[in-house]
Amino acid sequence: NAGVTQTPKFQVLKTGQSMTLQCAQDMNHNSMYWYRQDPGMGLRLIYYSASEGTTDKGEVPNGYNVSRLNKREFSLRLESAAPSQTSVYFCASSYLGPRNTEAFFGQGTRLTVV
Amino acid sequence: QQPVQSPQAVILREGEDAVINCSSSKALYSVHWYRQKHGEAPVFLMILLKGGEQKGHDKISASFNEKKQQSSLYLTASQLSYSGTYFCGTAIQGGSEKLVFGKGTKLTVNP
Repeated sequence: NAGVTQTPKFQVLKTGQSMTLQCAQDMNHNSMYWYRQDPGMGLRLIYYSASEGTTDKGEVPNGYNVSRLNKREFSLRLESAAPSQTSVYFCASSYLGPRNTEAFFGQGTRLTVV
Repeated sequence: QQPVQSPQAVILREGEDAVINCSSSKALYSVHWYRQKHGEAPVFLMILLKGGEQKGHDKISASFNEKKQQSSLYLTASQLSYSGTYFCGTAIQGGSEKLVFGKGTKLTVNP
């Protein structure tokens, strides 16, 4: 099994450009998450989806939108990229919610906004 | 809502023990522990559930004090491979399905 797959792995954007980060899991998981990781800040939750068709804001949702396209896929969109969005982005999934099931992470997307 | 981890960093010699703490201001359903090596994704170690059930790693242990909303991760007889950054994640009671992480504890194990 591939687990959680993120594309692309690296991306450089100019300020104001838009892009979509893709995430797909093949583990039949219900919950999916997007995090950003910045030095000294840990993993901060951007958006999450408890099940297909539902999404909700996390700790740092401003400047991002998400789509839970189907059970497998959860995409993150930056409509107008800013240098403050330079970060490593991780997608994760879990079979049920975090109350009683662990999360599996993708390998990350390293995004630089210049 | 972000849980608070302490210490921020620990340096050990191989064979020594360490304790990493995690606390929340909210009542918790569960506490998760993950380890991340440099340049890699976080990897699940352990989950501690409300009610005492525990699932995860056979060489690393943890405790969960539900009344105090605190958890501790115990690394005994540390190995070089234990080096990395440890994150606790919390599932907060109250209906949402968020998994929120602390800022991490960087553990370095030297020979």
